[in-house]
Amino acid sequence: SYELTQPPSVSVSPGQTARITCSGDALPKQYAYWYQQKPGQAPVLVMYKDSERPSGIPERFSGSSSGTTVTLTISGVQAEDEADYYCQSADSGGTYRVFGGGTKLTVL
Amino acid sequence: QVQLVQSGAEVKKPGASVKVSCKASGYTFTRYFIQWVRQAPGQGLEWMGIINPSGGSISYAQEFQGRVTMTRDTSTNTVYMQLSGLRSEDTAIYYCAREDMGYYNGMDVWGQGTTVTISS
Repeated sequence: SYELTQPPSVSVSPGQTARITCSGDALPKQYAYWYQQKPGQAPVLVMYKDSERPSGIPERFSGSSSGTTVTLTISGVQAEDEADYYCQSADSGGTYRVFGGGTKLTVL
Repeated sequence: QVQLVQSGAEVKKPGASVKVSCKASGYTFTRYFIQWVRQAPGQGLEWMGIINPSGGSISYAQEFQGRVTMTRDTSTNTVYMQLSGLRSEDTAIYYCAREDMGYYNGMDVWGQGTTVTISS
């Protein structure tokens, strides 16, 4: 089955830039989405269509795509950004959704 | 306001079935897919399947084929997810989420989650 690969963890100091990658063979054909999940809460959409930011999501969150890799970038990381981040996309046919394994962002 | 409200926590024995509901409000029910996603304790998100409330078409993740059934009731704007043959590995929080049709805007609204515990 189709898989998306994320690093298990990323650590940055406050004010620095965090970059979380997600790799998958179908990413050149299918959009990627990013979700933020804090402990005990449901996931929240923070990026859609690779690089579009939903209303209410701070401008420090941005997304990009290059070939089979998409990247979520958080500029000027704040303590409140500490969370698990999941990428999500679809298989090449567009029917079956898939999530990456998740990346734990730690703000030092 | 737009929301998805799920049914309450469940405790089931191995081999039993569970049915979780997801009631939509604040938007046109038939214009958004409903996705089901689960999360085992300490684990990541796992996609289970998708239902189109308009036509009723469904796709299930391969891992759940034969054990999961998703249905909808357009008279009450409610979607149901039933999982049978429960085993301890099915202990998880089950979420529903909406996804617009054709605009690729992602799963923008999520239910609060339903905790399902499998225990003998």
